[in-house]
Amino acid sequence: EAGVTQSPTHLIKTRGQQATLRCSPISGHTSVYWYQQALGLGLQFLLWYDEGEERNRGNFPPRFSGRQFPNYSSELNVNALELEDSALYLCASSLQKYTEAFFGQGTRLTVV
Amino acid sequence: QKEVEQDPGPLSVPEGAIVSLNCTYSNSAFQYFMWYRQYSRKGPELLMYTYSSGNKEDGRFTAQVDKSSKYISLFIRDSQPSDSATYLCAMTPPGQAGTALIFGKGTTLSVSS
Repeated sequence: EAGVTQSPTHLIKTRGQQATLRCSPISGHTSVYWYQQALGLGLQFLLWYDEGEERNRGNFPPRFSGRQFPNYSSELNVNALELEDSALYLCASSLQKYTEAFFGQGTRLTVV
Repeated sequence: QKEVEQDPGPLSVPEGAIVSLNCTYSNSAFQYFMWYRQYSRKGPELLMYTYSSGNKEDGRFTAQVDKSSKYISLFIRDSQPSDSATYLCAMTPPGQAGTALIFGKGTTLSVSS
C-alpha cells in the first residue's frame, strides 16, 4: 500500500512568488496535516484538513493557505514568499478518529 | 516554558550500546505519545505509539511513559549504525482526534561501528 506522497520533492522560488505543494494521503485516511520544518526550529504545525474542511490552523500568517479535495488529497499554497519560508514542508495523514499520523517525504522549498 | 522539551543532543554512542532518549512536557492533558525517527532530508517515520503510563516494547525499542512526572522515554537496545537519525517525540490530548501533534525539537543520535 502506498504511503503519503508529496510533490514536488524540491521547489525553488523567488521572493514574492507563490508556491503550491501537493499531498496524497494514505488510502482511507481522511485527515491531512501540514507541518513546516525549518532548520533548527523543529516541526511547526501549519494546517489540518478533514473531510474537505479546514479544522485547525497553526500560528502562521494568512498567506499560508490550502485546501482538501473530495479525494482527500490536499494542496498547500504559500503566497508572497519570503526568504524565511525556506524549509521542508511535511504532509501527514491519519484516520480521522485516530491520532497516529504518517508522514510523507516532504517538499523542500527554497526561496531565493 | 515550552510544552514539550527534548534535549537536542547530539548523542554519540558505540554500536551495541543502550540508548535513552527523553522528553518532558508541561500539559497534563497529553495522553497520546509517539516517537518518530527522521533520517536526514526524509519525512519522520512513526516508531512507537502509546496512550497510557508504563512500557511498550517493539523489538529493540521500548517506549516508557510516566504521566506523574510528565516524562517519556525511548530506549534502543543493541543500537546499530542504521539507528543514526533524529528522534522526535510527539504528543496530543485525548478526545481531540485530529488535533495537531505537538513535537519536541528532536534528538540527533549517531551510532558508530
